[in-house]
Amino acid sequence: AQTVTQSQPEMSVQEAETVTLSCTYDTSESDYYLFWYKQPPSRQMILVIRQEAYKQQNATENRFSVNFQKAAKSFSLKISDSQLGDAAMYFCAYYGGATNKLIFGTGTLLAVQP
Amino acid sequence: SQTIHQWPATLVQPVGSPLSLECTVEGTSNPNLYWYRQAAGRGLQLLFYSVGIGQISSEVPQNLSASRPQDRQFILSSKKLLLSDSGFYLCAWSVGAGGHTDTQYFGPGTRLTVL
Repeated sequence: AQTVTQSQPEMSVQEAETVTLSCTYDTSESDYYLFWYKQPPSRQMILVIRQEAYKQQNATENRFSVNFQKAAKSFSLKISDSQLGDAAMYFCAYYGGATNKLIFGTGTLLAVQP
Repeated sequence: SQTIHQWPATLVQPVGSPLSLECTVEGTSNPNLYWYRQAAGRGLQLLFYSVGIGQISSEVPQNLSASRPQDRQFILSSKKLLLSDSGFYLCAWSVGAGGHTDTQYFGPGTRLTVL
């Protein structure tokens, strides 16, 4: 069965600095998708970034980028020039054809210090 | 563009009372629809999903049920609420068959407190 692991329950970063959130997953599939979602205090889940496993190029969305290491089954999120509005819970998620469902990690709570 | 609505935003209900939460999607046809529950400080638990009108798949056996009376409407119900039903309920949609079904977009959620 597919699993997603986020080993950092909490992280902290200074405003304008860079932070990296870790995510590892386990799967026997070769074709799948990976996501990072942000959940601010309002608790609405917001899609941050999407990565297709068959693409070697790392996805980027403005200040957000990923480091996708398929062989290592690692999918980390880098936030550059951190802003106060980046403070939120971040969830890593996996989607594969075997289950056709999103499998979420347990989340990393990011605090941004002014 | 597509939007997803949930109501009510907040609900406080006594134990044993019924429940009805509604989710509607605009701007797309034949979406896949999902209900999740998130307990405080925890991850998301998939409760139900639907690939079409009247088609409901249940992930977790419990006293909740779901229905899809219209293409873009998804309802979560209970006949008698339990204390353990308290939590944050999120509805999500993804593109239906023929499109990229992998990406899910979430609504604003409903905070349910059962007393």
